[in-house]
Amino acid sequence: GAVVSQHPSWVICKSGTSVKIECRSLDFQATTMFWYRQFPKQSLMLMATSNEGSKATYEQGVEKDKFLINHASLTLSTLTVTSAHPEDSSFYICSASQNSYNEQFFGPGTRLTVL
Amino acid sequence: GQQLNQSPQSMFIQEGEDVSMNCTSSSIFNTWLWYKQDPGEGPVLLIALYKAGELTSNGRLTAQFGITRKDSFLNISASIPSDVGIYFCAGRQTGANNLFFGTGTRLTVIP
Repeated sequence: GAVVSQHPSWVICKSGTSVKIECRSLDFQATTMFWYRQFPKQSLMLMATSNEGSKATYEQGVEKDKFLINHASLTLSTLTVTSAHPEDSSFYICSASQNSYNEQFFGPGTRLTVL
Repeated sequence: GQQLNQSPQSMFIQEGEDVSMNCTSSSIFNTWLWYKQDPGEGPVLLIALYKAGELTSNGRLTAQFGITRKDSFLNISASIPSDVGIYFCAGRQTGANNLFFGTGTRLTVIP
């Protein structure tokens, strides 16, 4: 149990375009989903926390208008990187938990490369 | 955000050797978690610790929640090649739902 999937697993896009990444909890209902960004050889940095049906809470320094997060159902959250630039190239990982204080189960990540 | 420092940063060991790594923070956490991340994958939870002083095992892995609540260690006994990867600690503070991740320990096991 506790499987989280992400789609796509990798994406290459041109600078200025927008990219949507999906995060799904396959066998449980995720009240809370988290989005992380990981640069090469670095740790995971939390970008935002989203609760189903509510607006996401963004960490300091993360632009909410650039990284649009939607958590419309208990099994799906999406992260849209708008007007992507090469510096947005990174490994984006989501996690999901049944409620805010339960364990987080991580997806396999999405590697974004912006040319 | 909170800074969790892991040491060592990297380790090269022979297959069969035991491994020890730790994680320290200047802040108190009420939950400590240890994850393993393989290249190009998301982290996988290894052990979760919820009480100061708690010692928990998962197969060849043993982790302890430091009595000061500011540190934790992870031991791996009799290492095997598939133990290769990056190990992250993560902490959660009382009343918070987000995790702070450590800087990571990269483990290489030489057959």
